[in-house]
Amino acid sequence: DIQMTQSPSSLSASVGDRVTITCRASQAIRNELGWFQQKPGKAPKRLIYGASTLQGGVPSRFSGSGSGTEFTLTISSLQPEDFATYYCLQHNTYPFTFGPGTKVDIK
Amino acid sequence: DVQLVESGGGLVQPGGSLRLSCAASGFSFSSYWMSWARRAPGKGLEWVANIKQDGGDKNYVDSVKGRFTISRDNAKDSLYLQMSSLRVEDTAVYYCVIGGHLDNWGQGTLVTVSS
Repeated sequence: DIQMTQSPSSLSASVGDRVTITCRASQAIRNELGWFQQKPGKAPKRLIYGASTLQGGVPSRFSGSGSGTEFTLTISSLQPEDFATYYCLQHNTYPFTFGPGTKVDIK
Repeated sequence: DVQLVESGGGLVQPGGSLRLSCAASGFSFSSYWMSWARRAPGKGLEWVANIKQDGGDKNYVDSVKGRFTISRDNAKDSLYLQMSSLRVEDTAVYYCVIGGHLDNWGQGTLVTVSS
């Protein structure tokens, strides 16, 4: 199975901060990666697919980049509604696998 | 509006069975791969299974192979997950998801496996 790692596992940030989360795959997955946001008690929401394409309706402060084995999710200016846990997902090879998550909370 | 409404969750003893259903509306159900994913208490997200538009291709995470079966009824715009030989570690919120790559999620249904 392809193992996905994320760093950091958690971070504290302030409104307006630029935040970057990194996801690494144990083998190359081309650009077959999505980023998801989950808030407590809510369903996950896909933010980005194809490593860098913004899902419709997602604010442009979110962006994704990367290919192969290393990927990043960037929030250019953190907003109060962005405090959540973020996951990457590889869908290159079955079984699809998520990263362990990065919890973003208020500093 | 796109809607996915899961049902069928509940409390079941280890070794028992449960069938989850997902009623879909607001999109052309028969045109999409569909998936199930889950989140166990205190854990992260886990992809469980997906199924092709015509039901002819199904894929599963190793931990549920041979115990869970994904199926669909395009005439009823419905997705199913038949779960048997349930284990304590199957306890989770189960989500019905549009797309093979988990595009759009339902609100989930809680399955608790406990004696």
